[in-house]
Amino acid sequence: NAGVTQTPKFQVLKTGQSMTLQCAQDMNHEYMSWYRQDPGMGLRLIHYSVGAGITDQGEVPNGYNVSRSTTEDFPLRLLSAAPSQTSVYFCASSYSIDQGGSGNEQFFGPGTRLTVL
Amino acid sequence: GENVEQHPSTLSVQEGDSAVIKCTYSDSASNYFPWYKQELGKGPQLIIDIRSNVGEKKDQRIAVTLNKTAKHFSLHITETQPEDSAVYFCAAPYGQNFVFGPGTRLSVLP
Repeated sequence: NAGVTQTPKFQVLKTGQSMTLQCAQDMNHEYMSWYRQDPGMGLRLIHYSVGAGITDQGEVPNGYNVSRSTTEDFPLRLLSAAPSQTSVYFCASSYSIDQGGSGNEQFFGPGTRLTVL
Repeated sequence: GENVEQHPSTLSVQEGDSAVIKCTYSDSASNYFPWYKQELGKGPQLIIDIRSNVGEKKDQRIAVTLNKTAKHFSLHITETQPEDSAVYFCAAPYGQNFVFGPGTRLSVLP
């Protein structure tokens, strides 16, 4: 299994440009999510999905869109990039969202480092 | 909502010493607490977790303790080694997701 894969690894955008960060997993996980990581602020949830066709907002959703047309893929779209979106983005997946049950472990991708000028 | 605090933000120890990182949470209904390790340039990886029906869990050199009354849980690393140098995150459940602490950068000095 490749686990969780993300592309690209690095990206530089100009303010106002749009782009899509790709995320895929081959573990047949129902739950997928996107986080951004900024210094001193840990991981903050942007959007998440509990299954194909179902998405919801996390803590910091503004400026981002997601879709989940298949179980495997969960792309993150930046509509009009802003310098405040400079960050490292992580995609994660897990088998279950059942808190306290088995399958809670989140598997993270290697991250995409995005710089917006 | 859930609020997770984590201390210290940075920690330096001599190789062979122990390291302790503490997290507090606010939602008394939370019942599952994972710890993640993030090495430089990589995504976080689960290293240990604990459920609310136990007070302590060990896995070789790492252990996690949970005090539900005080709403805090701690990561203990014994006999630290250079490869333990990383950023460590705690997390607590919130709805269908998790809230992460801000992270602790652990440096193990040779």
